Amino acid sequence: EDQVTQSPEALRLQEGESSSLNCSYTVSGLRGLFWYRQDPGKGPEFLFTLYSAGEEKEKERLKATLTKKESFLHITAPKPEDSATYLCAVQASASKIIFGSGTRLSIRP
Amino acid sequence: NAGVTQTPKFQVLKTGQSMTLQCAQDMNHEYMSWYRQDPGMGLRLIHYSVGAGITDQGEVPNGYNVSRSTTEDFPLRLLSAAPSQTSVYFCASRFGQGEQYFGPGTRLTVT
Repeated sequence: EDQVTQSPEALRLQEGESSSLNCSYTVSGLRGLFWYRQDPGKGPEFLFTLYSAGEEKEKERLKATLTKKESFLHITAPKPEDSATYLCAVQASASKIIFGSGTRLSIRP
Repeated sequence: NAGVTQTPKFQVLKTGQSMTLQCAQDMNHEYMSWYRQDPGMGLRLIHYSVGAGITDQGEVPNGYNVSRSTTEDFPLRLLSAAPSQTSVYFCASRFGQGEQYFGPGTRLTVT
């Protein structure tokens, strides 16, 4: 069965304290892995797409990496404005996109 | 571009009432989808469309209907609201196999 699991459910960091969020997946055929950011009361906002193992993408303090079984979202020297829920989604077919339940990230000043 | 727009932002219904959630996009995207988001669960696909006149069921379609008469619009109809349909609903669109663009959501409460 296709499945996406994100960990941890919640993460509290001090400003400047780097860490990583995990997205592990089992799908029969990966067509793409997506990371989104969701602020309270808003819709998810696209961050990255990864297509193959070994691929990496960066944007400001965020870097996403992909292996055959999982993806990591690395956050370097985070700031309070990075606080949000981060969602991972896997595209298993043209019409099947499976979302994880998200990691709530809180950055304390 | 306005992107993906949804109306209303908030709605309260009584059990058994019907209503339509509106969704529109101005990016000429072929794919449009409706998701619901519940606490502790990932976004779950309700219905989707791969183009005008073509719709299909997602993971949790029961109690919902959709139609797609134009590329821009993809309304979601609740036939007879139930408390289990209390949720936040998101509409999304994409071009091909690319990333999805989400609307701001509709928060629905059924009493």
